[in-house]
Amino acid sequence: AQSVTQPDIHITVSEGASLELRCNYSYGATPYLFWYVQSPGQGLQLLLKYFSGDTLVQGIKGFEAEFKRSQSSFNLRKPSVHWSDAAEYFCAVGDNNDMRFGAGTRLTVKP
Amino acid sequence: EAGVTQFPSHSVIEKGQTVTLRCDPISGHDNLYWYRRVMGKEIKFLLHFVKESKQDESGMPNNRFLAERTGGTYSTLKVQPAELEDSGVYFCASSRFGVRNTGELFFGEGSRLTVL
Repeated sequence: AQSVTQPDIHITVSEGASLELRCNYSYGATPYLFWYVQSPGQGLQLLLKYFSGDTLVQGIKGFEAEFKRSQSSFNLRKPSVHWSDAAEYFCAVGDNNDMRFGAGTRLTVKP
Repeated sequence: EAGVTQFPSHSVIEKGQTVTLRCDPISGHDNLYWYRRVMGKEIKFLLHFVKESKQDESGMPNNRFLAERTGGTYSTLKVQPAELEDSGVYFCASSRFGVRNTGELFFGEGSRLTVL
């Protein structure tokens, strides 16, 4: 069965610094991979997704993620973090017709 | 276009009581999902409807949980009787074509359940 691991429960970065959130997955076939973000008081919002093709995918809000099959990873990156990026981030893998999530990484942004 | 709406946003009940959570998906979305997040843990899949049919209910924890989607529109998730370990945030999501086609699920804000 597929699973997702987000090793970092909580990350703190300074505003303007770069960000990388880690995600590792376990899946027997070509995975469909996603990153969602949940800001306080809101539902989960899709940041980006990977289905096939170019392994570097661009998303909304300046985020990108790179699919590395050899490492079973799909890490999320942003070159310069803004205070509004403070939220919880979830990596997910899609299979058949549903989606399985990691435990999330909470991002705190220092001024 | 209205998003996925969930009601109530927060419910506090005592152990042994019953709670019913409601989800109104985006109009026209045949696929409806329920997920649950227990504090600090992963968002866990509960079940998936396609229209009014249960496509996959493998994530339902036990028979105290009952989900329905009469008429293929809104869905309810009833917990009866509630236990302490049922506390968490229950998310509903919908999509028109499903994960393998578009990849995007549209989520509601969640219903927080606290069982005392």
